[in-house]
Amino acid sequence: GIQVEQSPPDLILQEGANSTLRCNFSDSVNNLQWFHQNPWGQLINLFYIPSGTKQNGRLSATTVATERYSLLYISSSQTTDSGVYFCAVELYNFNKFYFGSGTKLNVKP
Amino acid sequence: DAGVIQSPRHEVTEMGQEVTLRCKPISGHDYLFWYRQTMMRGLELLIYFNNNVPIDDSGMPEDRFSAKMPNASFSTLKIQPSEPRDSAVYFCASSLGGTSYNEQFFGPGTRLTVL
Repeated sequence: GIQVEQSPPDLILQEGANSTLRCNFSDSVNNLQWFHQNPWGQLINLFYIPSGTKQNGRLSATTVATERYSLLYISSSQTTDSGVYFCAVELYNFNKFYFGSGTKLNVKP
Repeated sequence: DAGVIQSPRHEVTEMGQEVTLRCKPISGHDYLFWYRQTMMRGLELLIYFNNNVPIDDSGMPEDRFSAKMPNASFSTLKIQPSEPRDSAVYFCASSLGGTSYNEQFFGPGTRLTVL
């Protein structure tokens, strides 16, 4: 099956710092999503981004499908950004997503 | 829209008991997914449905697990008999499906503890 690798696995930031999370995948994909799992376990949609760049407030994401990676940028991080960030990819015509193992982010005040 | 609804939110049971988890997908979504999350294995897809029909159940761990979708607004995941190693958070998700736009939306999850 497809391999989805996220880096770094763990990240500790001071509040206000910027960060870049990476998602590499081993095959051509139809779709890609970024999720934030908050400390209460809820999975929150951040971006649906099969290609290109999107921005939502302090967060932005870029997917370069031809090179099989996606990046999630967090600027001016806040303690509420803490949690685990997952990327999930969908193979063409499979209609199911494969998840990476996540990046665990801890933002300290 | 209320989003994906799951019940119960927490379930504690004893080994050998039957457990039934419930999910109501977002109205109009054609695809429904059941996932399991554990520390050891992360997020795993167990089974998914398209228009109430199971499409891929290759992730279902063993015969003790079964899932049904009797109509477009309801699905169940049943474990019988339950074992301590089934303890995990079980998520349900839904999506419109198709190849043009397939964003998944997750429910709040059911935290299952089997003693």
